[in-house]
Amino acid sequence: DAGVIQSPRHEVTEMGQEVTLRCKPISGHNSLFWYRQTMMRGLELLIYFNNNVPIDDSGMPEDRFSAKMPNASFSTLKIQPSEPRDSAVYFCASSLGGTEIQETQYFGPGTRLLVL
Amino acid sequence: AQSVTQPDIHITVSEGASLELRCNYSYGATPYLFWYVQSPGQGLQLLLKYFSGDTLVQGIKGFEAEFKRSQSSFNLRKPSVHWSDAAEYFCAVERGNQGGKLIFGQGTELSVKP
Repeated sequence: DAGVIQSPRHEVTEMGQEVTLRCKPISGHNSLFWYRQTMMRGLELLIYFNNNVPIDDSGMPEDRFSAKMPNASFSTLKIQPSEPRDSAVYFCASSLGGTEIQETQYFGPGTRLLVL
Repeated sequence: AQSVTQPDIHITVSEGASLELRCNYSYGATPYLFWYVQSPGQGLQLLLKYFSGDTLVQGIKGFEAEFKRSQSSFNLRKPSVHWSDAAEYFCAVERGNQGGKLIFGQGTELSVKP
């Protein structure tokens, strides 16, 4: 299995530009998670989906952030407009989901975002 | 609110020495507990997890962790550290009815001296 795939791996953009991060979960996984990692705040869950439906977006920092999961094999996290404080590593993770027992989350390699 | 505390930001041990990374959680009931490892430039990999039952949990790469309810702790241990264990280690908690919503500690960076 290819694991969780994220693209791009690195992104450098200027303040005010739109940024789109992409994630392909492991085939057959029903839950998908977006995390952000910074030195100051550590690893934070931004949003997660189950069966393509957003379940909890309480971690999304503000309206500039949006996430979609149009089908079981693809999700996007969009920042518009981007700001320097959005610079971070963004991880996508997926799990089998759908049960009461916590499933292992498998993480992608992350997207390193730098907003100038 | 749930929280996870990893008191040690950075630990250095000699290769071959034993290791213990500390993790304390704050939650009224028994949560689901996890340890993840992150190598430089990589995503997170699950080392082990505890849901219920035996409080000593074995994981991959020779790691183990012990759940101690009285201390609200879930410390990670390894009897003999290898240079390849140098990485950042994250403890995480999930409440069991959160559909997988993990709360992570701040992480402990492990350096290994030759």
